[in-house]
Amino acid sequence: GQSLEQPSEVTAVEGAIVQINCTYQTSGFYGLSWYQQHDGGAPTFLSYNGLDGLEETGRFSSFLSRSDSYGYLLLQELQMKDSASYFCAAVPLAGGGNKLTFGTGTQLKVEL
Amino acid sequence: SQTIHQWPATLVQPVGSPLSLECTVEGTSNPNLYWYRQAAGRGLQLLFYSVGIGQISSEVPQNLSASRPQDRQFILSSKKLLLSDSGFYLCAWKGDSRNYGYTFGSGTRLTVV
Repeated sequence: GQSLEQPSEVTAVEGAIVQINCTYQTSGFYGLSWYQQHDGGAPTFLSYNGLDGLEETGRFSSFLSRSDSYGYLLLQELQMKDSASYFCAAVPLAGGGNKLTFGTGTQLKVEL
Repeated sequence: SQTIHQWPATLVQPVGSPLSLECTVEGTSNPNLYWYRQAAGRGLQLLFYSVGIGQISSEVPQNLSASRPQDRQFILSSKKLLLSDSGFYLCAWKGDSRNYGYTFGSGTRLTVV
């Protein structure tokens, strides 16, 4: 099975940098994805790490270390619109329908 | 372009009533389709997934069932709703890209009363 743990809540000020961590325990693992979900909305895909290291997409970056069973999402130049919940998700090894297992989720609050 | 449609957006149903939620995908063929449920303030729980017509895998034993009568149609059903079935139901489709990104429908907020 797979379990992914995240801090429940993170608060930061506008313009700052924030890191949302994801630690996992899994018996089979291919990569780590990140999703953003605003209140009342559906999750939207942000990034994917298939290899160890850093992936950068604009203001967002994501990092994976398989040896440490750890990943994080880094948000730079925070904006009020970044206030949302963020989920990491484990991508399983090939087969099994490629079904994602989501983390517990982190609610990010951006303040002025 | 590839899109996913889910309806209805909100639903209030009495305990014991039946349920049918529909999800359709456009612009692709033979997609992997998924039903997730999200309780208020919680994470996403995978309920069912399908890799093809008539192929359903259940992840959690419960009061719900799923069907895939057509390639791009995925239906979530219940014969008799329970209070515990309340939640935010999300249909998702795995795209063809190698980044394993899911595209989610807009969701159905179900309240069982």
